[in-house]
Amino acid sequence: EPEVTQTPSHQVTQMGQEVILRCVPISNHLYFYWYRQILGQKVEFLVSFYNNEISEKSEIFDDQFSVERPDGSNFTLKIRSTKLEDSAMYFCASRSTGVSRYGYTFGSGTRLTVV
Amino acid sequence: GQQVMQIPQYQHVQEGEDFTTYCNSSTTLSNIQWYKQRPGGHPVFLIQLVKSGEVKKQKRLTFQFGEAKKNSSLHITATQTTDVGTYFCARNDYKLSFGAGTTVTVRA
Repeated sequence: EPEVTQTPSHQVTQMGQEVILRCVPISNHLYFYWYRQILGQKVEFLVSFYNNEISEKSEIFDDQFSVERPDGSNFTLKIRSTKLEDSAMYFCASRSTGVSRYGYTFGSGTRLTVV
Repeated sequence: GQQVMQIPQYQHVQEGEDFTTYCNSSTTLSNIQWYKQRPGGHPVFLIQLVKSGEVKKQKRLTFQFGEAKKNSSLHITATQTTDVGTYFCARNDYKLSFGAGTTVTVRA
């Protein structure tokens, strides 16, 4: 069964440093997403991406965040200057085109710890 | 954004018993999806409900969508240890907006 692949699985970074989280969505999917989950809390939407541009973003997704699809297969989330409160599990997800009657496929996540 | 509310937050179940988790919205939903997240895992799609009053079954899991399309439920019969995890409902309008989830633990 096709998978969404995320790297790294764990990332520890110092406050103020930049991090890039990487995702390889399912190859024939055209809609891509980043979500985050702070430990013990619900899964929160960050951003959606379609046709090489952001289609929607949440209040969490401020100027410190950016997304990119640099080469047609990878989908990255960059946090420019990490804060302690950015510590969370970050999930990438993708889905197929058209009417969203199918589920979203999530990657296994990157656990980001900001120290 | 518009929220979906889930109750209960925690469900402690004796193995073999049934339980139900509920999802409610203040506004009409075009459709709703359910996901399961095992401890330490990622959300995994279970099902999508679209039609008013729809009922779908997956083995011991029964999903319902309310007539007014403002609520949904997941009923699990004869709970097993493999059912442990958090069950999320999510409104689906070109992105998923998750409820807070029901975390299920099972007593053997």
